[in-house]
Amino acid sequence: DAMVIQNPRYQVTQFGKPVTLSCSQTLNHNVMYWYQQKSSQAPKLLFHYYDKDFNNEADTPDNFQSRRPNTSFCFLDIRSPGLGDAAMYLCATSRDWEQGALAKNIQYFGAGTRLSVL
Amino acid sequence: AQKITQTQPGMFVQEKEAVTLDCTYDTSDPSYGLFWYKQPSSGEMIFLIYQGSYDQQNATEGRYSLNFQKARKSANLVISASQLGDSAMYFCAMRDMDSSYKLIFGSGTRLLVRP
Repeated sequence: DAMVIQNPRYQVTQFGKPVTLSCSQTLNHNVMYWYQQKSSQAPKLLFHYYDKDFNNEADTPDNFQSRRPNTSFCFLDIRSPGLGDAAMYLCATSRDWEQGALAKNIQYFGAGTRLSVL
Repeated sequence: AQKITQTQPGMFVQEKEAVTLDCTYDTSDPSYGLFWYKQPSSGEMIFLIYQGSYDQQNATEGRYSLNFQKARKSANLVISASQLGDSAMYFCAMRDMDSSYKLIFGSGTRLLVRP
C-alpha cells in the first residue's frame, strides 16, 4: 500500500489560476518535502517542513507556498501558475533520527502530481 | 561546492546481464552519504541503496550493489541479472553537508533493459 499519497496524479490549470496539490502520509514521519521536477531533469527541492517548522529554499519563487496543517498532510499552493511551472511535483517524507552529513534519513516519495498549465 | 556527476544520459542492457551506472561526486567534507534512487515512468522515486563515507564495506541490497571507490570519488551502482522492470531513470544523490535533509542529485541515467 502506498505510504505517501499525492492527489491528484494529473492536474490541469489555467495560466494565473491558483492551484493546490496535496500530499498525505501514513508513515508518521516528521519531515515532509516538496520537489519540482521538470522533464529529464533531477528533482529540485522547493521547501521542507520539519514538524511545523517551514524551511524555504533560497531560490524557490514566492509564487510557491506550502501548508502543513498536521503531521499527515502537506499542501503545495501555486498562487499564479505560469507556463514555466508545468512540471512533476513530488512529495517526500523522512523520519528524523540522524544529524549531520552522514545522516541516512531516507526519503520516501509519492508518485507525484503532473501539472499542466494552459 | 558539492556536486554529483552522472555522465551516462542513457544506457541499454540485455535482460539477465549486469550493468554499471556511473556516479562521481565532489565534496570537501570527509563525512558524506551517497544514495541511489530509481524513478520508473510512473514517477515515484524509489530508494535503492545508501553508502556512508566511513562504511568499511560496499553496500549491497539484493541485486543492487555499490562499487564505492573513495579515492576516485566514485559510487557506481551495479545491477546484477537485469530485469525488464529495471527500465527506469536512476539518480545518484549526496547529502548536503550543510543540511541533514537536503539531497543533491545528479542529472540521472536512463536505463533500458532489452528482452
